[in-house]
Amino acid sequence: GENVEQHPSTLSVQEGDSAVIKCTYSDSASNYFPWYKQELGKGPQLIIDIRSNVGEKKDQRIAVTLNKTAKHFSLHITETQPEDSAVYFCAARGMIYNQGGKLIFGQGTELSVKP
Amino acid sequence: DTEVTQTPKHLVMGMTNKKSLKCEQHMGHRAMYWYKQKAKKPPELMFVYSYEKLSINESVPSRFSPECPNSSLLNLHLHALQPEDSALYLCASSQGERERSEQYFGPGTRLTVT
Repeated sequence: GENVEQHPSTLSVQEGDSAVIKCTYSDSASNYFPWYKQELGKGPQLIIDIRSNVGEKKDQRIAVTLNKTAKHFSLHITETQPEDSAVYFCAARGMIYNQGGKLIFGQGTELSVKP
Repeated sequence: DTEVTQTPKHLVMGMTNKKSLKCEQHMGHRAMYWYKQKAKKPPELMFVYSYEKLSINESVPSRFSPECPNSSLLNLHLHALQPEDSALYLCASSQGERERSEQYFGPGTRLTVT
């Protein structure tokens, strides 16, 4: 089945610096890759996603890139702010028929932005 | 509006109790999900309902019983739980299982089994 690896598990940056989180997936048929931000005591919040027919997508300070050949995708946060501190999860959705809308999550990255 | 609501926010129950978790969405989504999340771990899929029918059961113990009364509501009935079932239970919804895949999560119910 699909497997998603996420690195690093923890990331500490200074306010204003950039942060990059990387994920690799195993199923070449995966076609949808969302990123979630989870703050303490809250549910995961969808912050950006990318589909397999697109190489890059941006939304203000966040961007996601996808390399289908290498089967990896990355989240880029520029000009980080303390409120970006949270756990970030990447996910991949496969095309196995009986798996339906099943997302396979990475293990998460705890991002800390120091003022 | 991408809001999924869950009640209660917190729940403490004994191993012999019966309780229910509730989830609601008014986005017209036709797929709804239950996930279990342990501290510092990713969400683990438990159940998927598609068009009010159970589509996926990830081999969840029978002490967890899902129910989808209509397209906007999802319940999770709990009975005879174990302390290791203590976790954050998340509900999510999406427009469909395949057509539009964006899944939106609720805030979760923090469950403690004593």
